[in-house]
Amino acid sequence: GAVVSQHPSRVICKSGTSVKIECRSLDFQATTMFWYRQFPKQSLMLMATSNEGSKATYEQGVEKDKFLINHASLTLSTLTVTSAHPEDSSFYICSGEGATEAFFGQGTRLTVV
Amino acid sequence: GIQVEQSPPDLILQEGANSTLRCNFSDSVNNLQWFHQNPWGQLINLFYIPSGTKQNGRLSATTVATERYSLLYISSSQTTDSGVYFCAVDNFNKFYFGSGTKLNVKP
Repeated sequence: GAVVSQHPSRVICKSGTSVKIECRSLDFQATTMFWYRQFPKQSLMLMATSNEGSKATYEQGVEKDKFLINHASLTLSTLTVTSAHPEDSSFYICSGEGATEAFFGQGTRLTVV
Repeated sequence: GIQVEQSPPDLILQEGANSTLRCNFSDSVNNLQWFHQNPWGQLINLFYIPSGTKQNGRLSATTVATERYSLLYISSSQTTDSGVYFCAVDNFNKFYFGSGTKLNVKP
């Protein structure tokens, strides 16, 4: 299957700082990638749809100014959590769609202290 | 959005036992996938199965799209099968996840 690489896998940052998470499709081109958030013992919730060369589409309730998404190329999307607070601590996962099915990155566990 | 319900929420098995996990969804979908989330959070693709039946080793899955449900069968379970199993459906390029089934296989 296709490979989606996400980096970093784990990050701890201080409250008020920004954190960037990268999501790369290694062996396919993705005009669309997706970002999800997962709180402990809960399911994955779609945050936003990242569109190559255009603005991201955010789900209701997701602050676009806090979660900045850039999809600069067909193989790279980035999520920047700005002015992070402890409540932003979560597991963030990206995905890209291959020819038929979606493939997910390894996830990034963000802890804001 | 589409509602996705999985059952049971928790399942404890003795090694070697068989099990069936169910996923119900509320609307027509373009895609349905089953995933296994390992303890590190990685989502492992199990099946891409918008309809029909597929088998891969001890795992098999069936989706009846007209009745809006999918089943994941695990036979001769092993301790390494433990983890959370998610069903996710795709409608208009948006994935909606079920709440998952947490499986614990005991030796």
